[in-house]
Amino acid sequence: QVQLVESGGGVVQPGRSLRLSCTGSGFTFRSYALHWVRQAPGKGLEWVAVISYDGSNRYYADSVKGRFTISIDNSRNTRYLQMNGLREEDTAVYYCARDPHIRAGGPGFDLWGRGTLVTVSP
Amino acid sequence: EIVLTQSPASLSVSPGETATLSCRASQNIRTDLAWYQQKPGQGPRLLIFEASTRDTGVPARFSGSGSGTEFTLTISSLQTDDFAVYYCQQYNNWPPWTFGQGTKVEIK
Repeated sequence: QVQLVESGGGVVQPGRSLRLSCTGSGFTFRSYALHWVRQAPGKGLEWVAVISYDGSNRYYADSVKGRFTISIDNSRNTRYLQMNGLREEDTAVYYCARDPHIRAGGPGFDLWGRGTLVTVSP
Repeated sequence: EIVLTQSPASLSVSPGETATLSCRASQNIRTDLAWYQQKPGQGPRLLIFEASTRDTGVPARFSGSGSGTEFTLTISSLQTDDFAVYYCQQYNNWPPWTFGQGTKVEIK
């Protein structure tokens, strides 16, 4: 079954860290770029970060630049989002989404996971 | 950063009727626009890319049109399964990839 599965969400205090994982199955994960997109409770979609198929290109939203790091482990079919210095405004469901191109910029995000909830609260 | 503005914010439609959703870009994005459907508790699903191309398995009652700055998603003969939130997204000028704020299609 072709799917993406996120994990690693939870409740953390402001300033703390969390690492999210996105695992792909049913397709050749290493042949695609991978995005993280988040959705605050009751809000719309916000793009967070992307990594190319080989990890050579990474881009971040201004709102997370310098705090979040996206990485790759092709041996495990997994991408990661390391989130440091978490703020209450980072509270959201975090989705990973596949880009049809190896270096991103493809026509839409053609496969999404179900998301993992991150809650940042004192 | 390209801003996408969707209208209306919500739409009440009876099953069997047609829903027309709009998305306006703050600058010319050619046809580099996608539409997504999101149901409660689920991740978004890609419906349309290149403004008018249906993704694999998307029913023909979903159609997209437009280019430049004005885009439309039309859902014909609405079925109960179609009541959801719909987002447009541009991939013309990135990063960042940007989304509209969404249109909620509700049952009338």
